[in-house]
Amino acid sequence: AQKVTQAQTEISVVEKEDVTLDCVYETRDTTYYLFWYKQPPSGELVFLIRRNSFDEQNEISGRYSWNFQKSTSSFNFTITASQVVDSAVYFCALSEASNTNAGKSTFGDGTTLTVKP
Amino acid sequence: DVKVTQSSRYLVKRTGEKVFLECVQDMDHENMFWYRQDPGLGLRLIYFSYDVKMKEKGDIPEGYSVSREKKERFSLILESASTNQTSMYLCASTVGWSLGANQPQHFGDGTRLSIL
Repeated sequence: AQKVTQAQTEISVVEKEDVTLDCVYETRDTTYYLFWYKQPPSGELVFLIRRNSFDEQNEISGRYSWNFQKSTSSFNFTITASQVVDSAVYFCALSEASNTNAGKSTFGDGTTLTVKP
Repeated sequence: DVKVTQSSRYLVKRTGEKVFLECVQDMDHENMFWYRQDPGLGLRLIYFSYDVKMKEKGDIPEGYSVSREKKERFSLILESASTNQTSMYLCASTVGWSLGANQPQHFGDGTRLSIL
């Protein structure tokens, strides 16, 4: 069975600090996809990034970067020089390609990030 | 842009009432989902549907039912609302199973439901 663990329930930082959100996953599939979503106070989850299991290349998008390591089954998310607008709940999710009801994802419990001015 | 619209942002109902939460998507997606979100419990899948009139139970289906009469609309029904169903409800959609695993889900704004 697939499982996603976000061990950090809440993180609080001061603006301009760097912060890393951890995500550890479990799956028996060799082909799978990992996602990060952001949920601001308004409520709607917004897709941030997708990674497939064959692509371990790290990715950077502005102040955001993602570190995917199959050896440790982790897909961590780092925000550099955090800003107050980064305050949100962040979810990591896993989707298995072999699941015939593909598109169904397993979500972690989320990490609430608070960035203080 | 994909738009997933939930009929209400806030809803207050009484115990024992039959409650309908509506969700509409405009991207012709095959898959649709209903989640509830509670503090410390993340997103829990209630039901999902991969086609019109098709439905599958998620992790916590008890006390809920769903209806998908048209592809764009997925309704969540609380047959007899109880106070432990007070929660944030999120609807999502994505493309069909042949492509769905690698596509993100698109979410609505959520409905904050209070059962008194």
